[in-house]
Amino acid sequence: DQQVKQNSPSLSVQEGRISILNCDYTNSMFDYFLWYKKYPAEGPTFLISISSIKDKNEDGRFTVFLNKSAKHLSLHIVPSQPGDSAVYFCAASASVSGADGLTFGKGTHLIIQP
Amino acid sequence: NAGVTQTPKFQVLKTGQSMTLQCAQDMNHEYMSWYRQDPGMGLRLIHYSVGAGITDQGEVPNGYNVSRSTTEDFPLRLLSAAPSQTSVYFCASSYGAASYNEQFFGPGTRLTVL
Repeated sequence: DQQVKQNSPSLSVQEGRISILNCDYTNSMFDYFLWYKKYPAEGPTFLISISSIKDKNEDGRFTVFLNKSAKHLSLHIVPSQPGDSAVYFCAASASVSGADGLTFGKGTHLIIQP
Repeated sequence: NAGVTQTPKFQVLKTGQSMTLQCAQDMNHEYMSWYRQDPGMGLRLIHYSVGAGITDQGEVPNGYNVSRSTTEDFPLRLLSAAPSQTSVYFCASSYGAASYNEQFFGPGTRLTVL
């Protein structure tokens, strides 16, 4: 049973507009959430994270929102740029240290159209 | 710093053959882990290590062996390759308990088992 779900396999957004990627989780023990970006033939690269004690974290054009009661998080990219076209993975951990690894969603392929 | 390096980049094996996927990091990270990614799937944890001499199983450990004799290296051994092990393998590392668990990923090894 998938503990981290990204229900949209792909998302197409016009350049300059807002991209919103969604993620749901089922495990109440998850305490820390991350977003990774992946280009073809490369490893995932860390984008932004949020701990369960916060409901929002911003880093430049990227903002992650966490709704613990709904077990839902979202990644907002404003404004979207062509270089943002990639697969985005939501990941979660039950420990701050991440010693026991991350649980990943299946990913959302974001396509930014000119 | 080279970061996380993986060799080889590509490998083709026949069923029943054994091989070792190499992973090294030069960031003095305590934690290292191995993931596999299959088409349309997120990354799944195979094995992880919280330090030299300490390893543990992840979500999909069957058919794989690991050891961690040094901080820098974390090889993954396929004992008797099967077609079901055709996948892209990613190695990752992170600092440990002092940091929120941003994991740094290598570029991946694409393995095909015939």
